[in-house]
Amino acid sequence: TQLLEQSPQFLSIQEGENLTVYCNSSSVFSSLQWYRQEPGEGPVLLVTVVTGGEVKKLKRLTFQFGDARKDSSLHITAAQPGDTGLYLCAGGGYNFNKFYFGSGTKLNVKP
Amino acid sequence: ETGVTQTPRHLVMGMTNKKSLKCEQHLGHNAMYWYKQSAKKPLELMFVYNFKEQTENNSVPSRFSPECPNSSHLFLHLHTLQPEDSALYLCASSQDPRPSSSGNTIYFGEGSWLTVV
Repeated sequence: TQLLEQSPQFLSIQEGENLTVYCNSSSVFSSLQWYRQEPGEGPVLLVTVVTGGEVKKLKRLTFQFGDARKDSSLHITAAQPGDTGLYLCAGGGYNFNKFYFGSGTKLNVKP
Repeated sequence: ETGVTQTPRHLVMGMTNKKSLKCEQHLGHNAMYWYKQSAKKPLELMFVYNFKEQTENNSVPSRFSPECPNSSHLFLHLHTLQPEDSALYLCASSQDPRPSSSGNTIYFGEGSWLTVV
């Protein structure tokens, strides 16, 4: 079992649609990161959230850290083909000695 | 540009070859990592180094041999690999290997795509 569960695993949508992907855990996290990875490239950091209830915006992307610090969501407004990629969440708890990664959400935005 | 540079970006090697992957970070971080990512599996942690000392070996076969001469450089020496070792190998770094509420974050290189024939 994964410490961080991401859903959905796959998402295929049309350009212009909105979408939300989720990252859930039964553990409390001290911080959580979201990455986007394109095929054959390394994951690129999008955001780090550290405060329960925190909301961060990056252009059309909105990231939220749950109040209880056990979950996070990424919402994309008016998706574009350039948003296509693998979205990974990662983090760890106060008593963890390393980072954990979710298995990712593979997003395909069709023109 | 993430501050973590990996070379080579692509490598094709035979099963009897010996080759090395190189990673360099320019972020002043103390921890460095090797991850493996293949098409059918999620990101797998291989090794963690903190201040040049190995702190984690995630049951990696001995045909993969890491080396960390200093906090800025990390190598992965490859010897007698198998075709199933073909994957994207990612180097990463962070200020500290442990997550924290100060936002300690892992930064990745662009990866070395390895094909074993």
